[in-house]
Amino acid sequence: SQTIHQWPATLVQPVGSPLSLECTVEGTSNPNLYWYRQAAGRGLQLLFYSVGIGQISSEVPQNLSASRPQDRQFILSSKKLLLSDSGFYLCALSVGPGGYTFGSGTRLTVV
Amino acid sequence: TQLLEQSPQFLSIQEGENLTVYCNSSSVFSSLQWYRQEPGEGPVLLVTVVTGGEVKKLKRLTFQFGDARKDSSLHITAAQPGDTGLYLCAGGSGGSNYKLTFGKGTLLTVNP
Repeated sequence: SQTIHQWPATLVQPVGSPLSLECTVEGTSNPNLYWYRQAAGRGLQLLFYSVGIGQISSEVPQNLSASRPQDRQFILSSKKLLLSDSGFYLCALSVGPGGYTFGSGTRLTVV
Repeated sequence: TQLLEQSPQFLSIQEGENLTVYCNSSSVFSSLQWYRQEPGEGPVLLVTVVTGGEVKKLKRLTFQFGDARKDSSLHITAAQPGDTGLYLCAGGSGGSNYKLTFGKGTLLTVNP
C-alpha cells in the first residue's frame, strides 16, 4: 500500500530564515504529489502540485517554492520566511481519481 | 473557480444522536470525496463517490452524491465520541492533472 512520509512534525523558525520541508513516498511510482497549507485547522489551500520529476505547478503566488528532484520526493522551500507562512503543511499523493493519501503534516510556526 | 460550501461549520452533539452534514457547490464534479481529520494529523479518506445519486455506507456513516453531482451529504447514525473530528469534502475535476477542491470542513464534537 502507498505510504507518505513527511517531516519534521513541528518546526519553529525565525522570520527571514530558510525553510525546507521534505515528503517521500513509498509503495507507488509516478504519483501526482501535492503541497497544501491549512490555517487554523480548517480548509486546505493547494500550494503546489507535480505530475512528474521536475514538473511543478504553482497555484498561489507566495513566498514559497517546490521541487521534485526524484519521482518519490517532493520538497517545499523558502529562502526567507514571513510570519504569514505559519501554518500546517500537508503533503499528499494521488494515483488516480480514488482519493488522496496525506502525510501527517508539519506544524510551522514563524516567530 | 470551483467552491465547496460545507454546513454546518461546527456541530456539537451527544453520544447516540444522529447527524447530517452537507457539502454544496454550483459546479459539477467528476467525483466527491469525504475525509476525516483529527487534530495534528493529516486527513484520512473515508469514501469516494463518482456517480450522480450514488449512496455508499461505511458502518454507521452514509454518504450520498447528488443527482447533478454538485452536492453531497454525510449522515452519521448513533454518533460516538470516536467520530469527533473535522470532516472535509473535496471535489475532483478529473483529467491527468488531477486536483481536488476542498471545503472548509465541519468540526464535529461528540460528547460522551
